[in-house]
Amino acid sequence: AQSVTQLDSQVPVFEEAPVELRCNYSSSVSVYLFWYVQYPNQGLQLLLKYLSGSTLVESINGFEAEFNKSQTSFHLRKPSVHISDTAEYFCAVTQSNFGNEKLTFGTGTRLTIIP
Amino acid sequence: DVKVTQSSRYLVKRTGEKVFLECVQDMDHENMFWYRQDPGLGLRLIYFSYDVKMKEKGDIPEGYSVSREKKERFSLILESASTNQTSMYLCASSLQAYEQYFGPGTRLTVT
Repeated sequence: AQSVTQLDSQVPVFEEAPVELRCNYSSSVSVYLFWYVQYPNQGLQLLLKYLSGSTLVESINGFEAEFNKSQTSFHLRKPSVHISDTAEYFCAVTQSNFGNEKLTFGTGTRLTIIP
Repeated sequence: DVKVTQSSRYLVKRTGEKVFLECVQDMDHENMFWYRQDPGLGLRLIYFSYDVKMKEKGDIPEGYSVSREKKERFSLILESASTNQTSMYLCASSLQAYEQYFGPGTRLTVT
């Protein structure tokens, strides 16, 4: 079984400041890792994913995350945030063996951008 | 674009009522999922389905059942609604687990 820990439930950040949202996972087998974003009053959308290859993955709106196997982490970063980044962010993990179609989600981090 | 629709955005039901939440996807996805989302608890998987008439229990199936008679439709059923089932319910579909597409959610209040 796998699990995900997002230690920060809320992160307030000033506009144009950098941000890091932390995610740690636990699994006995190799994993795929994801960040999903939920804007106010909407469902979740996939922000970025790590499946294999380069450990640094990027999204189209300036976020990036780095898979660190030794620290079992997949932290999400952005060098300069905007008001439009206000949302809740969920880290998720699934085992990379074929046939396991379930995602395990963290408890979420609410990112609030302060003008 | 993949579209996942849910029958209602907001729903208010009384304790003991039978409640149906409907979810429809238009991308011929094999997999469909029902989650509930509660503050501080994130998303918890209730049931999922790999194919028509197939269903698997998730992490919190108690008090819920599901139905998948057609590939595009996955229904969540609360046989006898209780106040502790007041929550946001999210449906998702996927071809593979890592590309789950979510509906907008149904906020259910049981009074």
